[in-house]
Amino acid sequence: DAGVIQSPRHEVTEMGQEVTLRCKPISGHDYLFWYRQTMMRGLELLIYFNNNVPIDDSGMPEDRFSAKMPNASFSTLKIQPSEPRDSAVYFCASSWSGGRRYEQYFGPGTRLTVT
Amino acid sequence: KQEVTQIPAALSVPEGENLVLNCSFTDSAIYNLQWFRQDPGKGLTSLLLIQSSQREQTSGRLNASLDKSSGRSTLYIAASQPGDSATYLCAVVTGANSKLTFGKGITLSVRP
Repeated sequence: DAGVIQSPRHEVTEMGQEVTLRCKPISGHDYLFWYRQTMMRGLELLIYFNNNVPIDDSGMPEDRFSAKMPNASFSTLKIQPSEPRDSAVYFCASSWSGGRRYEQYFGPGTRLTVT
Repeated sequence: KQEVTQIPAALSVPEGENLVLNCSFTDSAIYNLQWFRQDPGKGLTSLLLIQSSQREQTSGRLNASLDKSSGRSTLYIAASQPGDSATYLCAVVTGANSKLTFGKGITLSVRP
């Protein structure tokens, strides 16, 4: 398997623009997670899905952030409008509940810069 | 609310030294604990996962231990090498909800 795939790897945009980050989880995994990493706050969970259904979005910072998972192999995280404080690395991760290990596998991340 | 602490934030050791990285968590009702490695500008690589019923896991030169009652885990690295230089993060799942709570990580530098 190719692992968790994220695109784009880097995104530079101007304040006020819409940004869409994409993730393809590992095939067969039933959990998908979106994280944000900054120097100040470390890694923070934004939202996670189980079987394509959002379970907990309490980490989503504001209404400007939204996430969808239309099918088991694709998810998006959208920021509209973007602000400079949204600059961070955004990671997607997936895991499988079988065997009750819940081991998470991370994608390479998308480095977002909002100017 | 679960909190995960890793101290110190950075560590520098000479090559060949055996070392221990510490992780502590406030809520002992964890489901599992994972140690990750992160290289600069890269994603996270899972190193070891310890289920709550286990005491330790080993992979090559790495050994992770878990003491749930005291809320502690350690990652032991034997015969450290410059290639081990990276940030090591500890994370726990509290309850069977699959949510990971991360520590801030320990940045390790192994000097040749």
